[in-house]
Amino acid sequence: DTEVTQTPKHLVMGMTNKKSLKCEQHMGHRAMYWYKQKAKKPPELMFVYSYEKLSINESVPSRFSPECPNSSLLNLHLHALQPEDSALYLCASSQSNPNEKLFFGSGTQLSVL
Amino acid sequence: AQSVTQPDIHITVSEGASLELRCNYSYGATPYLFWYVQSPGQGLQLLLKYFSGDTLVQGIKGFEAEFKRSQSSFNLRKPSVHWSDAAEYFCAVGARRNDYKLSFGAGTTVTVRA
Repeated sequence: DTEVTQTPKHLVMGMTNKKSLKCEQHMGHRAMYWYKQKAKKPPELMFVYSYEKLSINESVPSRFSPECPNSSLLNLHLHALQPEDSALYLCASSQSNPNEKLFFGSGTQLSVL
Repeated sequence: AQSVTQPDIHITVSEGASLELRCNYSYGATPYLFWYVQSPGQGLQLLLKYFSGDTLVQGIKGFEAEFKRSQSSFNLRKPSVHWSDAAEYFCAVGARRNDYKLSFGAGTTVTVRA
């Protein structure tokens, strides 16, 4: 199994809502990542978990809250988002660091109204 | 810190024609170099990577790339393009250490005309 599975594929939420994005991999990878991608732009790193510990937070606003319940799962909890947070949210994983191959999920397209 | 420049925002190529996408990097040491492809509505997929050794790297889907240290370049090529190659292509560079950050270029959109 060489897949990174993200759910949901699409999400529309209001600015007062609380929602969560989920990501799952069963490749035994020990690093998992959240990226944000605006249309026609490269992905921007948000968070990195290494061995289930938060390793990098790229100064992401606190309305985004990551969680890594176990080595296979990665969540991104969303609360009080702004319209400018609308984007494609990509999860990725790698054996260790990203200089190994990064495996990306197909993303969650988020719209904040 | 490392950085990547992809000079071409958009390239249009005819099906069956050759394709070359340019990538220039900036990094003080020998970098890790990657090409990723993203089809519409999808995540990124690794085409190929260079760490060391042979400077001509073969990848998936018939792509190859050549590392030229003297030019700080890592250009991607395909001899004959298929309609399914229409996508966004990202060059990326990583540091030679246990660094979780890749620096992505702005991307090149490839359109394939029949």
